[in-house]
Amino acid sequence: AQKVTQAQTEISVVEKEDVTLDCVYETRDTTYYLFWYKQPPSGELVFLIRRNSFDEQNEISGRYSWNFQKSTSSFNFTITASQVVDSAVYFCALTSNAGKSTFGDGTTLTVKP
Amino acid sequence: GAVVSQHPSWVICKSGTSVKIECRSLDFQATTMFWYRQFPKQSLMLMATSNEGSKATYEQGVEKDKFLINHASLTLSTLTVTSAHPEDSSFYICSASDRSHEAFFGQGTRLTVV
Repeated sequence: AQKVTQAQTEISVVEKEDVTLDCVYETRDTTYYLFWYKQPPSGELVFLIRRNSFDEQNEISGRYSWNFQKSTSSFNFTITASQVVDSAVYFCALTSNAGKSTFGDGTTLTVKP
Repeated sequence: GAVVSQHPSWVICKSGTSVKIECRSLDFQATTMFWYRQFPKQSLMLMATSNEGSKATYEQGVEKDKFLINHASLTLSTLTVTSAHPEDSSFYICSASDRSHEAFFGQGTRLTVV
């Protein structure tokens, strides 16, 4: 069985603050994929990043960065200099070697002006 | 990356009618497709897994007679919500997996039953 835990249900920050969204996962697979998605109020799922289990290199994309640590089974997501448009629900997900995905419960981020 | 197209993006239907949602893999052969459902303010939950040419496997608590899944080809799976009721209103999203087992998600379909 696999599990994804996003311990932070809601986070509220003021614009320009940095914010980190935590994600901890459990799986018995040696090959798996980790994802982050953004779901704005409009409802669609916006793909942010995909990482396979063999690639622990951290990644930066603009104001977004991801820290993947297999030793702690974590895949945390940091937004630097947050903006109001970053307000959304963010989901961390794990896809098993068989293609089945398990989502965390999501973290609702509110960025206030 | 691979592209999965889901159609329609949103649909409104009357209670008692059936609605079909399509999930297509555009540039790869999807040996397995997955269907997820998201109720308001909740996470996405797996409903069923379908392999091309065989019957879908449903998760516990999902009514197979209500949510008909067909995976007739390696590029198309359909989910039909039969005799839809307001409680079926939800966000439905598919993912498709090829032989590498990496999964790619469609854009999702927001179903509203009135």
